[in-house]
Amino acid sequence: NAGVTQTPKFQVLKTGQSMTLQCAQDMNHNSMYWYRQDPGMGLRLIYYSASEGTTDKGEVPNGYNVSRLNKREFSLRLESAAPSQTSVYFCASSEGPGLAGGDEQFFGPGTRLTVL
Amino acid sequence: AQTVTQSQPEMSVQEAETVTLSCTYDTSENNYYLFWYKQPPSRQMILVIRQEAYKQQNATENRFSVNFQKAAKSFSLKISDSQLGDTAMYFCAFGEYGNKLVFGAGTILRVKS
Repeated sequence: NAGVTQTPKFQVLKTGQSMTLQCAQDMNHNSMYWYRQDPGMGLRLIYYSASEGTTDKGEVPNGYNVSRLNKREFSLRLESAAPSQTSVYFCASSEGPGLAGGDEQFFGPGTRLTVL
Repeated sequence: AQTVTQSQPEMSVQEAETVTLSCTYDTSENNYYLFWYKQPPSRQMILVIRQEAYKQQNATENRFSVNFQKAAKSFSLKISDSQLGDTAMYFCAFGEYGNKLVFGAGTILRVKS
């Protein structure tokens, strides 16, 4: 099992460019998440998908869109990248969609994105 | 909204010694979960330990244990017999309804030989 995979691992964009970060999991999990990690701020939730066919905003959704393509895949799109979106992006999945908050989340290796 | 505070940006410990990382949180909920995740230099996030708020007994996982004080909203992580492989960033996280995680800012732990 590969677990959670993310592509690309690194990306440099110019301001205004668009790109899509891909995430896939092979654990048959129902729930998937996108976080960004910035120095001194921990990880912050951008969007999540509790189950296939549903997506919801997290703490910092502005400037991003997501697509839950199927049960395995959850993509994150930056339509017009800004320097403030320079960050490390993590995708995660959990068994879900249990609502109690106790599921372990399994994380991908992250994508380091730089916006110039 | 829940908040999680880790007041120690960096800590160091000698190999084989014990270290405690602090975490406090704020919530109005009664039932919830708390987690400690580890992020080594490889950047891969790994679950260390999980605590259910309605369980009074502190969770333990081998050399890792927690001191959960619900009334004080405190959730510290104790690492016994520290090993070089424990060098990492440690994040305390609150599990919200809907399985969303709210993370603290993290504590960098360096284990010295």
